[in-house]
Amino acid sequence: DAKTTQPNSMESNEEEPVHLPCNHSTISGTDYIHWYRQLPSQGPEYVIHGLTSNVNNRMASLAIAEDRKSSTLILHRATLRDAAVYYCILRAWGETSGSRLTFGEGTQLTVNP
Amino acid sequence: EADIYQTPRYLVIGTGKKITLECSQTMGHDKMYWYQQDPGMELHLIHYSYGVNSTEKGDLSSESTVSRIRTEHFPLTLESARPSHTSQYLCASSDGTSGSRVQFFGPGTRLTVL
Repeated sequence: DAKTTQPNSMESNEEEPVHLPCNHSTISGTDYIHWYRQLPSQGPEYVIHGLTSNVNNRMASLAIAEDRKSSTLILHRATLRDAAVYYCILRAWGETSGSRLTFGEGTQLTVNP
Repeated sequence: EADIYQTPRYLVIGTGKKITLECSQTMGHDKMYWYQQDPGMELHLIHYSYGVNSTEKGDLSSESTVSRIRTEHFPLTLESARPSHTSQYLCASSDGTSGSRVQFFGPGTRLTVL
């Protein structure tokens, strides 16, 4: 999978929006952008994914740059429960069924009350 | 919300015991995975399955074995537990087309071998 780059950490205040950036300058035309998060002592949790258009779901929004070389995960109103490590990964088209998820360093999000 | 379950959530066991970690999903997903993860460390794939009667070893060498007799069930067995097996074990399942395939994770089993 192509490499992604994220800031090591970010901080936000409760009930404020949070914008988590991800750079993926070597993305190929058919790579999907996925976001997962992992809370302490829990398994990873799927957040959102997209290919070209911006995406919204009940958890977050995903804004994808027009050239697809970067994307931003948007949490509209951060809560204390959103404190986690957020991972941005690319999933290649045509990958084998056994393809494992490989997370990079991710962004540690701290939410202040 | 994902419907994937793991039992037990926590297990403390002595060296040499045989254990089976259970994983079930009710989403009808064909692909299932077992990962191992130590605190603060990356995920390591230890087993995966394309579907019923199909299992493969992952990246990380593991002394565990798996079976896939039913679509919804993917248990992991350690014949003789050792302290080096102490870790968190995460089960996941996925469906959908390549690239868009999302993996849904269970809550994990934290295993401690004394």
